[in-house]
Amino acid sequence: DVKVTQSSRYLVKRTGEKVFLECVQDMDHENMFWYRQDPGLGLRLIYFSYDVKMKEKGDIPEGYSVSREKKERFSLILESASTNQTSMYLCASGLTGLRNQPQHFGDGTRLSIL
Amino acid sequence: AQKITQTQPGMFVQEKEAVTLDCTYDTSDPSYGLFWYKQPSSGEMIFLIYQGSYDQQNATEGRYSLNFQKARKSANLVISASQLGDSAMYFCAITGGSYIPTFGRGTSLIVHP
Repeated sequence: DVKVTQSSRYLVKRTGEKVFLECVQDMDHENMFWYRQDPGLGLRLIYFSYDVKMKEKGDIPEGYSVSREKKERFSLILESASTNQTSMYLCASGLTGLRNQPQHFGDGTRLSIL
Repeated sequence: AQKITQTQPGMFVQEKEAVTLDCTYDTSDPSYGLFWYKQPSSGEMIFLIYQGSYDQQNATEGRYSLNFQKARKSANLVISASQLGDSAMYFCAITGGSYIPTFGRGTSLIVHP
């Protein structure tokens, strides 16, 4: 079974802090994704990566950056956390070039910025 | 660009009855895939069922089936014999030529005993 592990289920940080959300997958997937989920808005793509050290902006990249130094690890960074970044963050991984394969998700991180 | 529309923010169903969750999509890609995921209150996203744009038959997985109407661009999820454990958020998603999925806003399903 594919396992996608997010470092924290719940996280509370203060405005202005630099926040790191970590995600690790164990199935050698090329693609990794970070989503933000807010009630009534569904999942919105922040960034994705299709290879080590490669990254692409998604629909809402402002205020975020990412890092992928190793294939299995994809980190989301909030450079200077703000209260409007309070949300549920979901990491996912998947195979490249296969349209019929689902994504595999972590359990999510509920982030509160005070 | 691709888009998913889920028009039902919330749905209620009696235990053991069937329920249909609506999903319409828009894409310019001739080849695409449609997915349904379930998200219980605990937060994890669980893959339920997949339908390819060229598949001739509607997909089925146990109590889940997908009512795929290509001309209408709809891919509705049908859950038969609802169970209390089916209470969750349900998301429809599409993957086209970019291989990057687009998700809908989700439908909250509550199953009453």
